[in-house]
Amino acid sequence: QVQLVESGGGVVQPERSLRLSCAFSGFYSTSYTIHWVRQAPARGLEWVTSISNGGHNQHYADSVKGRFTISRDNSKSTMYLEMSSLRIEDTAVYYCASRRDCSGGICYGLDSWGQGTLVTVSS
Amino acid sequence: DIQMTQSPSTLSASVGDRVTITCRASQSISNWLAWYQQKPGKAPKLLIYRASSLESEVPSRFSGSESGTEFTLTISSLQPDDFATYYCQQYNSYPWTFGQGTKVEIK
Repeated sequence: QVQLVESGGGVVQPERSLRLSCAFSGFYSTSYTIHWVRQAPARGLEWVTSISNGGHNQHYADSVKGRFTISRDNSKSTMYLEMSSLRIEDTAVYYCASRRDCSGGICYGLDSWGQGTLVTVSS
Repeated sequence: DIQMTQSPSTLSASVGDRVTITCRASQSISNWLAWYQQKPGKAPKLLIYRASSLESEVPSRFSGSESGTEFTLTISSLQPDDFATYYCQQYNSYPWTFGQGTKVEIK
C-alpha cells in the first residue's frame, strides 16, 4: 500500500525560501508519478507540479513556474519541493499525491495522498 | 490552460436523494477526468477516474459519465458519509486543473 508523508511546512516571510519533503513507500513494481497539490485556506484544490518516476519529466503550474523546483531521490524514497521567492498567495496546505503510470491505455487519477503540510507566508 | 467549470457550487440534499454534479471542460479532454471527495481537514480521495471507472473500494452508489466535454458525477442514494466537497480534475494535459468544487450539505 502506497504511503506518502509530507514534512517541512511552517511560517516563512515573503520572498524567502522553504523546502518541503514527501517520503514515499509502497511503490512496488509499478512506476509512479508524484505530484504536489495545494489548497489555500477555505479555497479549492490547485495542482502545483509533478515529477516522473525517473525524475526526468517535470511540469509546473504557471503560478509557480520559475520559483518552485521539484525533484526526487528514489534511493531515499523522497521527493522535494524547493520553493523560493514565496508570496502571500502561496499560503496553503501542500499535499503530496501519487499516480501509478498509465498502463494498457488507461491513465488513472491521483490515487494516494499524504496528510498535507501547512505553509504560511507572512511578514 | 484547460478550464474546468463545476456546478453547482453548493447543493443541499437529504439522505436517500439522488445527487448530480456537473463539470464542463473548456476544450476536449477525451475521457481523462477524475472525481475526488474531500472532507474537512482531510486529504482528497479518488472516487472516479477515466470519467466513469470506479476506484477500488469506492461504493457503487457513485458513478461517472461523460458527454463530449461535459462530465457528471452521480450519487444514486446519498448516505450520511457522503456529505463532503467534490472536485473534478482533468489530466488530459498539463497543467492539470481542478473544478471549483461542489459542497454537498445536509438539507
